Amino acid sequence: DAGVIQSPRHEVTEMGQEVTLRCKPISGHDYLFWYRQTMMRGLELLIYFNNNVPIDDSGMPEDRFSAKMPNASFSTLKIQPSEPRDSAVYFCASSILPETQYFGPGTRLLVL
Amino acid sequence: QKEVEQNSGPLSVPEGAIASLNCTYSDRGSQSFFWYRQYSGKSPELIMFIYSNGDKEDGRFTAQLNKASQYVSLLVRDSQPSDSATYLCAVKDTYKYIFGTGTRLKVLA
Repeated sequence: DAGVIQSPRHEVTEMGQEVTLRCKPISGHDYLFWYRQTMMRGLELLIYFNNNVPIDDSGMPEDRFSAKMPNASFSTLKIQPSEPRDSAVYFCASSILPETQYFGPGTRLLVL
Repeated sequence: QKEVEQNSGPLSVPEGAIASLNCTYSDRGSQSFFWYRQYSGKSPELIMFIYSNGDKEDGRFTAQLNKASQYVSLLVRDSQPSDSATYLCAVKDTYKYIFGTGTRLKVLA
């Protein structure tokens, strides 16, 4: 299996622009998680889905962030408008059981 | 505010020694406990998880859980330079996962 696939791997954008991060989970995995990692705050869970339904989005920092999972093989995390404080590494993870998450390689986002 | 606390380190140990990594958590309702390893510039990898008080062993790794003290630890036996990484502790209650900021382990050859 190819593992969790994320795109793009690196993104540099200017403040105010829309950013869309993409994730393809491992086939057959029912759970999908979006995380953000920074030096200051560590790894934070933003939102997770089970069978394409959002279960907990309490970690989404504000209305500028939105996530969708239109089908079992694709999810997006969108930031609109982006701000410099959104600069971080964004990870997607998937699992069959929530205990055994497999992380993707991450997207390094830099907002100037 | 639910919290997971880890000493940031670095924790330096000589090759072949036992490394002990510690984590405390604030929410007594926490049900599941996880240890992840993260190499610099890479994504986290699950090492093991534990639900019940006591010890759980997997190869050179042992997780220890004490719910009364709200404390979970990870022992790495026969530490190798390849074990040098940041170790993240994570805690789950009914729905929510909370991660500590990690402890950096350095194994000296």
